[in-house]
Amino acid sequence: ETGVTQTPRHLVMGMTNKKSLKCEQHLGHNAMYWYKQSAKKPLELMFVYSLEERVENNSVPSRFSPECPNSSHLFLHLHTLQPEDSALYLCASSQGGGGEPYNEQFFGPGTRLTVL
Amino acid sequence: GQNIDQPTEMTATEGAIVQINCTYQTSGFNGLFWYQQHAGEAPTFLSYNVLDGLEEKGRFSSFLSRSKGYSYLLLKELQMKDSASYLCAVRDSNYQLIWGAGTKLIIKP
Repeated sequence: ETGVTQTPRHLVMGMTNKKSLKCEQHLGHNAMYWYKQSAKKPLELMFVYSLEERVENNSVPSRFSPECPNSSHLFLHLHTLQPEDSALYLCASSQGGGGEPYNEQFFGPGTRLTVL
Repeated sequence: GQNIDQPTEMTATEGAIVQINCTYQTSGFNGLFWYQQHAGEAPTFLSYNVLDGLEEKGRFSSFLSRSKGYSYLLLKELQMKDSASYLCAVRDSNYQLIWGAGTKLIIKP
């Protein structure tokens, strides 16, 4: 496996379900990100982990819970979601958490989430 | 507030040239990125500008004017595979990326 991988690619869940999204990066990076992408809207940064510590939490509802067990893996635990949470959830990684002059983010293919 | 503006959709002809504009208002500036995203796929990095001027990379070029809060992505010799969304993102004073909504580029034969 190379780059950034995400599983599952598609997920349909009811509002009472609990599910988890998984992201894995094979690039040796030390920062990982969760984004939400809704149609015709800018990417919304949800969480940032740098060196396995959460450094950013942009007022995301508590029904989204991130977990970063090591620098290569990132999870997003979902529970009691709402239909408006339906979107593409993208994971990204970079070398450095943003405080370096040049550190492009590498994205995974995303998980298309539908909440019924 | 912080804001990135780019056209929602553009159409161009195969073989032609197209310029996608991006204007920004952010608290501080630490670089501007352009990403390409094909439908159903991950965004992929295209270019990075931090100083004023033009950065050329093959058929793609990106220009920055920090005093005007303005950038453009220039695509030459358009190919059908260039049909995609193009995302502009600015890194602010906190080194957080602020994203535009993207420009969907449609290439016609």
